[in-house]
Amino acid sequence: GENVEQHPSTLSVQEGDSAVIKCTYSDSASNYFPWYKQELGKRPQLIIDIRSNVGEKKDQRIAVTLNKTAKHFSLHITETQPEDSAVYFCAASIGNAGNMLTFGGGTRLMVKP
Amino acid sequence: DVKVTQSSRYLVKRTGEKVFLECVQDMDHENMFWYRQDPGLGLRLIYFSYDVKMKEKGDIPEGYSVSREKKERFSLILESASTNQTSMYLCASQLYNEQFFGPGTRLTVL
Repeated sequence: GENVEQHPSTLSVQEGDSAVIKCTYSDSASNYFPWYKQELGKRPQLIIDIRSNVGEKKDQRIAVTLNKTAKHFSLHITETQPEDSAVYFCAASIGNAGNMLTFGGGTRLMVKP
Repeated sequence: DVKVTQSSRYLVKRTGEKVFLECVQDMDHENMFWYRQDPGLGLRLIYFSYDVKMKEKGDIPEGYSVSREKKERFSLILESASTNQTSMYLCASQLYNEQFFGPGTRLTVL
């Protein structure tokens, strides 16, 4: 089955700096890669996703990049703010409706004011 | 807005007890999932269901079973709770590829 590894497990940045979280996946058939954000005490929520037919996607201060050849994808957050502090999970799936997600281990991001 | 609810936020049970965790979604989604969340291990899939009365094993089904008698409700059952099942349990329903999570149940088995 699919295996998703995520690094780093914790990341501390100063407010205004950029943060990058990286994930690798094992199944070359995976074609859908979402990122979920879980604030302290709250449920995970989808913040951005990318499909394998594109290499990059942006939404305001967040962006995701995908390298299919190397089987890795990354989340980039620019101009970090304290409210970006959370646990971030990457995931991969084959992407048809109903197929399950395989999650990475999570990254705890702390943005220091 | 999608609403996914779980029957309890916190639960304390004793070893050997039978435990029921319930999840209800109000959006008529066909796909529902149960995960457990442990520090450093992310979200690990226990079971999922594509439709009423249908279930599929996830990555860590041992010690768990599920029931889906109605489309909106997906139950996770621990037949005989053990201390290594102490964890946060999250359910989710899915529309297309997006999963919508419940608030979680923190289960402690003593």
